[in-house]
Amino acid sequence: QKEVEQNSGPLSVPEGAIASLNCTYSDRVSQSFFWYRQYSGKSPELIMSIYSNGDKEDGRFTAQLNKASQYVSLLIRDSQPSDSATYLCAVNMPNTGNQFYFGTGTSLTVIP
Amino acid sequence: NAGVTQTPKFQVLKTGQSMTLQCAQDMNHNSMYWYRQDPGMGLRLIYYSASEGTTDKGEVPNGYNVSRLNKREFSLRLESAAPSQTSVYFCASRTDRAIQYGYTFGSGTRLTVV
Repeated sequence: QKEVEQNSGPLSVPEGAIASLNCTYSDRVSQSFFWYRQYSGKSPELIMSIYSNGDKEDGRFTAQLNKASQYVSLLIRDSQPSDSATYLCAVNMPNTGNQFYFGTGTSLTVIP
Repeated sequence: NAGVTQTPKFQVLKTGQSMTLQCAQDMNHNSMYWYRQDPGMGLRLIYYSASEGTTDKGEVPNGYNVSRLNKREFSLRLESAAPSQTSVYFCASRTDRAIQYGYTFGSGTRLTVV
C-alpha cells in the first residue's frame, strides 16, 4: 500500500463548477497535510495546508481533513480554466523523520 | 527574490558521465530535500538534510550522493549516470518552526541520460 494515494484522473469539470480532489494516507500519526498545484513543466506550488480536523478555506479553495478516516480533500469552487493543472497531495510522516510523502497527483482540466 | 534556486535547468548526459546539481535557498531554512519526479511515480525523495552537517537517505538514494555545503546549499551528485536516472529533479527547503509549513520548491532540473 502506498503511503499517500490519489485518483490520477483525469478529472474534467466545466468552468464555474466545483472540483473535488481526494487523498488518503496510511500513517495514522501524520500531523500536517498539504495541497500543491503543478502546471505542466513547472515546479509544485503550495496552495493549502491543513493540520486540524475540519475545513479550512482560502478564497476559492477549501481543504477538508478527517483524521479518523485518514482522508484529506481539496474543493475548488467556481473553477477556472487557469485551475487546470495536476494537484499533488502531500503528507508529513513523523515516523520517518517528518519527511513528506506525495501522492502521484490528480490531473484537473477545467473546460471553458 | 527569496526562494530556492536550482542549476542547471536542463542537462543531457551520456551514460557513465558524472554531474552535480546545485541548489541554494535564501530563506534561512534548516531542512533541504532532493526529489525526483517521474511520470506515474510522483515525487520520490532521494536524500534530505535536516540541518547543516547532516544528510539522510530517502526512498530512492541509490546512484546518488549529496553534500550539505552550508545552511544555504545542498548539492546532488550523480557519479556515473544511467538511463534510469532520466528524470526531473526538484530541490526543496522547509522551515522546521512548525508542522504547518510546507516545502518551497526550486524550478527543477530536467535531466536526460542517453
